[in-house]
Amino acid sequence: DAGVTQSPTHLIKTRGQHVTLRCSPISGHKSVSWYQQVLGQGPQFIFQYYEKEERGRGNFPDRFSARQFPNYSSELNVNALLLGDSALYLCASSGDPGSSGNTIYFGEGSWLTVV
Amino acid sequence: AQTVTQSQPEMSVQEAETVTLSCTYDTSESDYYLFWYKQPPSRQMILVIRQEAYKQQNATENRFSVNFQKAAKSFSLKISDSQLGDAAMYFCAYRSAHFNKFYFGSGTKLNVKP
Repeated sequence: DAGVTQSPTHLIKTRGQHVTLRCSPISGHKSVSWYQQVLGQGPQFIFQYYEKEERGRGNFPDRFSARQFPNYSSELNVNALLLGDSALYLCASSGDPGSSGNTIYFGEGSWLTVV
Repeated sequence: AQTVTQSQPEMSVQEAETVTLSCTYDTSESDYYLFWYKQPPSRQMILVIRQEAYKQQNATENRFSVNFQKAAKSFSLKISDSQLGDAAMYFCAYRSAHFNKFYFGSGTKLNVKP
């Protein structure tokens, strides 16, 4: 079975531009979460979606937005990029709450560099 | 808000020996889950082991085991018979039982010496 897949794996953007990152969860998983990992730190929670509804938002500005599609894939959008947005963006999927839904499984991440 | 603290930025262990990574957390909740994730240079986070707070028995996965001390809010990871492939960043993480949001520590870099 395919794991969590993310695209693109690496990208370089200029300050002020917009970026869209994509994620496909593990087959059968309905929940997708996004995390930002700045170099040298642990991942920080950005969003969680379950059954296409936002279920949680971390302490990130409104420049960050996300959505989940009927097939449970997800997009993370960041507008007006700042140098400080340079990070590894991790997508994670999980099943229904309870049982294995308590564990999240990560993709390989999208490495964003803002210049 | 919950916080997770890993006080050891970097550790080293000789191949085949045992090493313990420390983690403490702060929460007012009684029901939660704790995890250890491994992040090799490839950057993909890999689940190592998880522990339910309501279980008194410490979780074990092959060479990996935890020492869960709920009253002390401590959750350490023991790696036995260390292998070169164990070299990676290790992150301790906390998840509330009621909300699928993970809080991660700052990580411990584990070096394994041949």
